[in-house]
Formats: sequence, structure tokens, C-alpha cells
Amino acid sequence: EADIYQTPRYLVIGTGKKITLECSQTMGHDKMYWYQQDPGMELHLIHYSYGVNSTEKGDLSSESTVSRIRTEHFPLTLESARPSHTSQYLCASSHTGASGNTIYFGEGSWLTVV
Amino acid sequence: AQTVTQSQPEMSVQEAETVTLSCTYDTSESDYYLFWYKQPPSRQMILVIRQEAYKQQNATENRFSVNFQKAAKSFSLKISDSQLGDAAMYFCAFTSNNAGNMLTFGGGTRLMVKP
Repeated sequence: EADIYQTPRYLVIGTGKKITLECSQTMGHDKMYWYQQDPGMELHLIHYSYGVNSTEKGDLSSESTVSRIRTEHFPLTLESARPSHTSQYLCASSHTGASGNTIYFGEGSWLTVV
Repeated sequence: AQTVTQSQPEMSVQEAETVTLSCTYDTSESDYYLFWYKQPPSRQMILVIRQEAYKQQNATENRFSVNFQKAAKSFSLKISDSQLGDAAMYFCAFTSNNAGNMLTFGGGTRLMVKP
């Protein structure tokens, strides 16, 4: 398994709260991603980064924001959580040209907004 | 734009038997990569097998093998000697250098293994 870590794994928070989901990888990968996945459903890309100070929005519109100040760290922030944000958030990383462009995933963060 | 289609929302297999999960994709690119990922309930998404489009030989990883038909744009996964631990969601995925290494996923197939 790949060395990519997400915290918290499970979180229940109230509406309007600010939350940051942490993601770190120790593989030196240049590219990092955030996917959103409802239970048993397909994954949707919400943010990605090609390197430090690079962030882009993915295919699925999201009210979350991300930052990439360090290569190994790619946190996702929700300024004001709503019940519609309840989902699983998967962080992933890959390295340009390495391992057949394989993307490795973290264990996921399950967010419930009540 | 690329699309990936998994036409089987659910499949079941008897323990020790063989099952094949289907995946088709659409792309205009010639150089790309295909993957099968496994996601057990509430657990990490892990890579099962990878296929480079330029390779004619089908990839194999222990009990897992693929049938890659490039002309037909088909990429099925065969699981031999199925085990209870194989029960999971399986996602077919596509990426290419032109896509910036971002994965396009299929909708997933839930595999149930009967003892």
C-alpha cells in the first residue's frame, strides 16, 4: 500500500462549522488530487494540484478550497459546512511518468454534517 | 473527453469460482493507461492491476488478469479462484499523459462472493 495519509478518518460536525481535511504523502509525488464519493457511487474529481502553489478545480463543482504550500501536503477546507457536504473525501497522489501514471489513494475521510 | 462504462452494477460469484467484470471506454488517444481498483467497504481504494495501452500482452497479477481489447476499447477483469476477501466495489479507470494523469472512473461494480 502507498504512503498517503488522511485525517480525520471520520468526522461529524454541525452546520456552519469550518473543517479542514488533512492529506499527506511521503512518496515525493508531484501531483495530488481530491475526489468526492458518495457511498457505493463513482468518484468525482473536485480538486487537483500539479505541484507546489498549483491548484485547479476538478470536474465536479465544490465549495471547498485547497492549498499546496508543500509538496507532501494537500489540505482541503470547507469554510461553512452544510448537510449537502456529507460524503467521503478521498485524497490521492501520483508522480509524473512513474509507475505507469498510477494514482495511489489514502484511506478516505468520512464527513457527516448535521 | 474520455468516458469509462461499467455495465454491471452488481455481480456475484461462488467462492473458488471465476468471475469476469466488464469495462469499456471511449477515447481518441493512442497512448493511455487502464486500471482496475478495488474498494472494500469503508476501506482504502487499492490498485488491483494496471495495463499500458502500448503493450499487447494482457497484464496479470496472481489471481487477477485482464482481457485488453484495444480495437474494441474493452478492458475486462477476470478473478480466478474467488475468495471471500475479494468482495468489494471494483472500479475501472482510465488516464493518459494528455489528461494530466487524472483518472476517469467507471461507475463501479459491486462484487459479492458467496461461501
